[in-house]
Amino acid sequence: QKEVEQDPGPLSVPEGAIVSLNCTYSNSAFQYFMWYRQYSRKGPELLMYTYSSGNKEDGRFTAQVDKSSKYISLFIRDSQPSDSATYLCAITNTGNQFYFGTGTSLTVIP
Amino acid sequence: GAVVSQHPSWVICKSGTSVKIECRSLDFQATTMFWYRQFPKQSLMLMATSNEGSKATYEQGVEKDKFLINHASLTLSTLTVTSAHPEDSSFYICSAQGNEQFFGPGTRLTVL
Repeated sequence: QKEVEQDPGPLSVPEGAIVSLNCTYSNSAFQYFMWYRQYSRKGPELLMYTYSSGNKEDGRFTAQVDKSSKYISLFIRDSQPSDSATYLCAITNTGNQFYFGTGTSLTVIP
Repeated sequence: GAVVSQHPSWVICKSGTSVKIECRSLDFQATTMFWYRQFPKQSLMLMATSNEGSKATYEQGVEKDKFLINHASLTLSTLTVTSAHPEDSSFYICSAQGNEQFFGPGTRLTVL
């Protein structure tokens, strides 16, 4: 079983829509949950970082962790064409080894 | 924020040659750097963990004699793909552990 599962999409939404991206993970010991954004031909950049359960909000982005169901989500409000990218979830326990999802490709149509 | 650079950003080489990719942390010291490989439409796959001053730790299935890693200083790690073959063509990304993990921009390797 993979450590992290992520629906690869692709996901296509109109500008202004709310986007929901999700991952599930298998090991309840994981404590740190990240979302990365990767534009085409570029390295990933950290978008959101949460520890344990709960929500974290940063502008139009909200990261949510539900440890009871081992489910993590990233919500994007008022999506913009510039949000078009691949979004990868990642988990770690120690901060030294990261497990990545396969990434979800998002296209926001103007 | 912290910056990690990679050089070269794109390299094309003939089959059988060796290619060296550099990963530098520009404004912080990183005792640990990571090397990833990403095939099209797939996620990042950790290849190895590089620790300054010691041997790298390779993930299962990654040939240590083919992918040579040298972490000679706190700001530089190198990945050498020896005797590259077309199936080694991929996007290679490094990251450096600072307060968080910072990723390099990636190196696209094409082996003809």
